[in-house]
Amino acid sequence: EAEVAQSPRYKITEKSQAVAFWCDPISGHATLYWYRQILGQGPELLVQFQDESVVDDSQLPKDRFSAERLKGVDSTLKIQPAELGDSAMYLCASSLNSNEQFFGPGTRLTVL
Amino acid sequence: QKEVEQNSGPLSVPEGAIASLNCTYSDRGSQSFFWYRQYSGKSPELIMFIYSNGDKEDGRFTAQLNKASQYVSLLIRDSQPSDSATYLCAVPDSGSARQLTFGSGTQLTVLP
Repeated sequence: EAEVAQSPRYKITEKSQAVAFWCDPISGHATLYWYRQILGQGPELLVQFQDESVVDDSQLPKDRFSAERLKGVDSTLKIQPAELGDSAMYLCASSLNSNEQFFGPGTRLTVL
Repeated sequence: QKEVEQNSGPLSVPEGAIASLNCTYSDRGSQSFFWYRQYSGKSPELIMFIYSNGDKEDGRFTAQLNKASQYVSLLIRDSQPSDSATYLCAVPDSGSARQLTFGSGTQLTVLP
């Protein structure tokens, strides 16, 4: 069964360090999303890609976060420098027709 | 600001009972609605979607939609301990980007 892949599954870092997360969507899914989920809350969209183009990054803190999907397939989300408040689950999802979204297992980030 | 509201719970029901989960949304233009299940420490998993007013049944799950009242619910019949999870309501925006706005989730516990 096709799945969204993410790595790493867990990341512990110290504040001011750089971290990067990787996502490989389901094959053929043109739309890719990065979400952040704080414990006890629903996921919040950070950035949406259609192929290699950014559709919406209005909620991405661009002073420290960046995202790319250079070849329109896999994607990387980077945080530099990490802050204590960035501790959360970072979820990647993909969609074929911008309706049903399928989530990867997520990356649990802890910033010390 | 689009809003999706859910009772955070926790909601406890005995095994075999019907669990009722509710969600209201603010965007009158919303046309489709999604229910995701999220086990503790895991990523959201799509379990139901509904587009039309009325009921949609899938096994033990029934989604109910009332667009006039801007209300969508999820009923789980014959609840099992394995249904214990957080249930997230998600509503796509009515624009072309189809971004999902999630509620904060309702935590359900099914007691054996």
